[in-house]
Amino acid sequence: GAGVSQSPSNKVTEKGKDVELRCDPISGHTALYWYRQRLGQGLEFLIYFQGNSAPDKSGLPSDRFSAERTGESVSTLTIQRTQQEDSAVYLCASSTRDRVNEAFFGQGTRLTVV
Amino acid sequence: AQSVTQLGSHVSVSEGALVLLRCNYSSSVPPYLFWYVQYPNQGLQLLLKYTTGATLVKGINGFEAEFKKSETSFHLTKPSAHMSDAAEYFCAVSYIYGNKLVFGAGTILRVKS
Repeated sequence: GAGVSQSPSNKVTEKGKDVELRCDPISGHTALYWYRQRLGQGLEFLIYFQGNSAPDKSGLPSDRFSAERTGESVSTLTIQRTQQEDSAVYLCASSTRDRVNEAFFGQGTRLTVV
Repeated sequence: AQSVTQLGSHVSVSEGALVLLRCNYSSSVPPYLFWYVQYPNQGLQLLLKYTTGATLVKGINGFEAEFKKSETSFHLTKPSAHMSDAAEYFCAVSYIYGNKLVFGAGTILRVKS
């Protein structure tokens, strides 16, 4: 596609429910990032996929958070047993192998846990 | 640990005035440095980047930034602010090619008419 696509754009869920957030990176981009942006705060790194290497999961805040990526395509971020503090905008970004530090961002998924 | 500090969560300037947004990083090795901008209701987009070579880099919309190793800084400047520059600006650093980007907390730029 022309850019990084995230779905849904907005998600309201009840506390305790599981949610899945989807990211479609730009075609051919080997690297994929997930970040979280809480209201009034900066971008918090969550997880990073680079090709077939083991993902860098050092930013995942708890074991309720997990992410998968199929090859070099779609990624899904799953949050189990959501809590109110999980409310944030979840941003996905992707980049090419030769410009792996230069990330292109999606519009984000705004998650609200009520 | 990698870190980026942006001084000032909010900066307000008059239209036509100099814009200066500050960014400092912590590193013992040469970093890759980036500025991203987030306009209201839009996604983040790359403004400019420093990887190697010339320490003064120019980006879109008249912005530029200078990598100063001795000061571990990468401040963003623009000689004359426009109303359309009102946005949130994020400084980011990466230390190893292929490593993750670490972002600062962001600075919201307000431009007064």
